[in-house]
Order: sequence, then structure tokens, then C-alpha cells
Amino acid sequence: DAGVTQSPTHLIKTRGQQVTLRCSPKSGHDTVSWYQQALGQGPQFIFQYYEEEERQRGNFPDRFSGHQFPNYSSELNVNALLLGDSALYLCASSFGGGNQPQHFGDGTRLSIL
Amino acid sequence: SQKIEQNSEALNIQEGKTATLTCNYTNYSPAYLQWYRQDPGRGPVFLLLIRGNEKEKRKERLKVTFDTTLKQSLFHITASQPADSATYLCAGGLNTGFQKLVFGTGTRLLVSP
Repeated sequence: DAGVTQSPTHLIKTRGQQVTLRCSPKSGHDTVSWYQQALGQGPQFIFQYYEEEERQRGNFPDRFSGHQFPNYSSELNVNALLLGDSALYLCASSFGGGNQPQHFGDGTRLSIL
Repeated sequence: SQKIEQNSEALNIQEGKTATLTCNYTNYSPAYLQWYRQDPGRGPVFLLLIRGNEKEKRKERLKVTFDTTLKQSLFHITASQPADSATYLCAGGLNTGFQKLVFGTGTRLLVSP
């Protein structure tokens, strides 16, 4: 039973570019959340998707957008990349909302030059 | 803003001892706390959940407490082993329909043989 898978594992971009990160949730899960984790920091909540709609959003600018597909997989898009966007981007899935444990992927390491 | 605070200094203990990690929260009252383990280069792994109406939760060598008066949770690992060396993250959530976890920065635990 595959867990949460994310692609790519590493990515290098330059300032001003756009990036799309992908996530497949654990089998049986219908809710996907995205987090940004800077070096030495804890994950910061970006947003959560359920039934193809954004249900919760953290304190991130509109440059960060997402999408959830009918098969529950999800994408995170970041436009106009800044140096400060360099981080590990984590995807987590769960069944439904509430206080369910989050199952995390191993993330995409995004470096901005 | 909602904040979860953990001791950013690494905790060094000897094998066989009990490790105790602290999580404090400010500017909000989480309905529940979750504890995760994160190894270098990997995503967090869920360990335990404790609700605000629970004082204590146990799972094998792990124990977590939740003191809403002190606004604090303690995470204990008894009979610690070198394999327990990792960063431990505390996260708080509210009882909304969908989850928006607030994570602390994590505490690195080093267990020496």
C-alpha cells in the first residue's frame, strides 16, 4: 500500500519563474494539505483541499495556489518565485478533516537561485 | 498569532533514560495536539494525538500529557534508544470541520549509546 508520493524530489528554479509540485495521497485518503518547511523550522500550513475545493488556507500570498483532481491527487503552484520560497514542500493526506493524523510524503526540495 | 513553541536546543540523553520534550502554546487554545517524528530528509511521521479533554495518552514507550491550565504538553520517551534520535514536532489544531495544523519548530533528540 503506497503512502503519500510527491514529485519531483528536488527542483532548482530562478527568481520570477513558476513551479508546479505534485502529490498523490495515500490510498483511501480524500483530503490533501500542503506545508512549507524552511530549514530548521517546523512545517507551515499553506492550504488544504477536499472535494476539489480549497477548505482552509494559511498565511500565504496568492502566488501560492493549488488544485485537487477527482482522483484526490493534488498540485501546488507557486508563481513569481522569490529567494525566500526556497524550502521543503510537504504534502500530507488524511481521510476527511477534523483531527485525523496527517500522513506526509518526503517532500519536494525547492531551491531558488 | 497562534503559536506553538518547542525548545529549539537539542536534547542529549543517554540510552535507557527517559526523554522529556516540551510544547507550549500561546494566543490560542488548540482542541487537540499531535506529535510527529521527523528524520533528516524525510517527512514527519504521526506518533500520538491527545485531545483537550484528555490528561494523558500512552502508546508503547511513548507518553504525552496535555495541561490546558499551563498551556503545555509534555512528550516522554521511556527507555530511550539511539534509534529514537530524531526531531520531534508538536502541532496544534482546532475543532473546525477541516484541519489547519500549527506546528512548532521541533526539538532534536540525540540518544547516545
